[in-house]
Amino acid sequence: DTEVTQTPKHLVMGMTNKKSLKCEQHMGHRAMYWYKQKAKKPPELMFVYSYEKLSINESVPSRFSPECPNSSLLNLHLHALQPEDSALYLCASSQDRGETEAFFGQGTRLTVV
Amino acid sequence: GENVEQHPSTLSVQEGDSAVIKCTYSDSASNYFPWYKQELGKRPQLIIDIRSNVGEKKDQRIAVTLNKTAKHFSLHITETQPEDSAVYFCAANTGNQFYFGTGTSLTVIP
Repeated sequence: DTEVTQTPKHLVMGMTNKKSLKCEQHMGHRAMYWYKQKAKKPPELMFVYSYEKLSINESVPSRFSPECPNSSLLNLHLHALQPEDSALYLCASSQDRGETEAFFGQGTRLTVV
Repeated sequence: GENVEQHPSTLSVQEGDSAVIKCTYSDSASNYFPWYKQELGKRPQLIIDIRSNVGEKKDQRIAVTLNKTAKHFSLHITETQPEDSAVYFCAANTGNQFYFGTGTSLTVIP
């Protein structure tokens, strides 16, 4: 199984809503990532978890809250988002944070209205 | 931190021609250099990668070269086909995280 699975695929939420994005992998990878991607731009790193501990937070606003309940799951909790937060949110995983391939999920297309 | 620059931002080639995309990086600690292809509306997918102890790697029509001294690496696609049309991202990994280039939109004209 070389899949990273993200749910939901699409999400429309209001600025007062609370929602969560989910990511799952069963490859035994110990590093998991959240990226934000705008159209025709590279993935922009938000958070890195290594061995279930948050190791990098790229100065992301507190309205985005990551959680890693176990080694296979990664969540991104969303609250009070702004329209400019609309983007494709990609989860990725790799064996570790070093020189190993990162596998991406298919992403969640988020629209904030 | 690491800074990865990628050129060109757009590239159009005739089917059957070759395409070359170039990236430079700034951090000599970077030791792993993957290339990702992203089709419209889809996830980035690894097409080839190279580690710092290797100068060149080839996989069928795709090759990557690395010059550690000059801190640059390049993607070469030969005999291009319309299905090669996509956005290509280079990346560098310092051992802590991936740093992505700005992307190249490749169009292969039939």
